[in-house]
Amino acid sequence: EVQLVESGGGLVQPGGSLRLSCVGSGFTFGNYWMSWVRQAPGKGLERVANIKTDGGEQYYVGSVRGRFTISRDNAKNSLYLQMNSLRDEDTAVYYCKTAVRQLPFDYWGQGTPVIVSS
Amino acid sequence: DVVMTQSPLSLPVTLGQPASISCRSSQSLVHSDGNTYMNWIQQRPGHSPRRLIYKVSSRDSGVPDRFSGSGSGTDFTLKISRVEAEDVGVYFCMQATHWPWTFGQGTKVEIK
Repeated sequence: EVQLVESGGGLVQPGGSLRLSCVGSGFTFGNYWMSWVRQAPGKGLERVANIKTDGGEQYYVGSVRGRFTISRDNAKNSLYLQMNSLRDEDTAVYYCKTAVRQLPFDYWGQGTPVIVSS
Repeated sequence: DVVMTQSPLSLPVTLGQPASISCRSSQSLVHSDGNTYMNWIQQRPGHSPRRLIYKVSSRDSGVPDRFSGSGSGTDFTLKISRVEAEDVGVYFCMQATHWPWTFGQGTKVEIK
């Protein structure tokens, strides 16, 4: 069974940092592009970042570019999101997910909440 | 960024009756590789989102065949042939042709 389990969310002050982690199981993690997607309270979905299978390419939405860094460790079946200079508008549930466009292989974690507030 | 515009934003439906959601993109979703990366995402209350449809009309594993997707270019549709109680939730269209991949605002499906 494919599983993605996020951790690392919590309450942080504006300007602070947080590192999210996601561990995958039940599939060959290193074979798939991965993503972070977020959902602000009562709002829609926003793709935050994508990362290629080997970590060699990363893509960011404009609002987080320069502040967030997506990375992965395939030996640990893990995906990360380093979030710096956090703002109120970064408050959301952050989901780790596979990012496969061409195949019936789409899995999401349960989400981890990030609250940016003083 | 590509803007995805859904309609309606609220859709009351009768159990057993069909339902349809439209999505229009601000530019063509045909990729240079010839594919059209148009997806439909379902989010049931209290659950993580789940992709139902990818590449306009292909169903993900385990998705009931009452869900179907269609369209081309900039205009797309998700149809539910006969709505069941478990279909209640919010449905998002999402394009994965142009970075950043963007979502529609969501359509809330509820039972009348």
